Amino acid sequence: AQTVTQSQPEMSVQEAETVTLSCTYDTSESDYYLFWYKQPPSRQMILVIRQEAYKQQNATENRFSVNFQKAAKSFSLKISDSQLGDAAMYFCAGLNYGGSQGNLIFGKGTKLSVKP
Amino acid sequence: GAGVSQTPSNKVTEKGKYVELRCDPISGHTALYWYRQSLGQGPEFLIYFQGTGAADDSGLPNDRFFAVRPEGSVSTLKIQRTERGDSAVYLCASSFGRGYEQYFGPGTRLTVT
Repeated sequence: AQTVTQSQPEMSVQEAETVTLSCTYDTSESDYYLFWYKQPPSRQMILVIRQEAYKQQNATENRFSVNFQKAAKSFSLKISDSQLGDAAMYFCAGLNYGGSQGNLIFGKGTKLSVKP
Repeated sequence: GAGVSQTPSNKVTEKGKYVELRCDPISGHTALYWYRQSLGQGPEFLIYFQGTGAADDSGLPNDRFFAVRPEGSVSTLKIQRTERGDSAVYLCASSFGRGYEQYFGPGTRLTVT
């Protein structure tokens, strides 16, 4: 079984500053996918970024980037130049490549506040 | 193109009643997932369809929950004899297949009184 741990229930950042959200993904599998999703108050889960475990290069999407440390099981999300619209719940999720499971395993989330 | 849609947006029902929640996936997506999200928690898996068949229903909490996807597109989650503990947001997602990005709908908030 795999587990996703987000140890920061809440985080705060000043507008235009940088913030890093932490996540660990514990699995016995060697091949898996990792995701960060954003959930604003509207409830819609929005995919922010995706990382394949076999790739050594960290994924980047505009202001969002990840720091994936496979041995440490760490998968952190860095948001640069934070904007007011980044305020939301952020969920880390993992999916093992092997087996028949297709579902994502989510962490409990981190609530991000952005101060003007 | 159109995203994943779910109806109704909100549903209030009395304890013991039967409810149906509908999900329209993105056109061309063969995989469809149902999750349940309780307040302050991340989504928890219920069931995963690949085409018309349930590839994995291990997340369904008990036999009061059932889901179908008869034509490989629209899916309906059915809950019999609802209980107050069933109150949650029910999320649907779809993808091109296993391992691909999952795109979520806006969810249905179910309240059992």
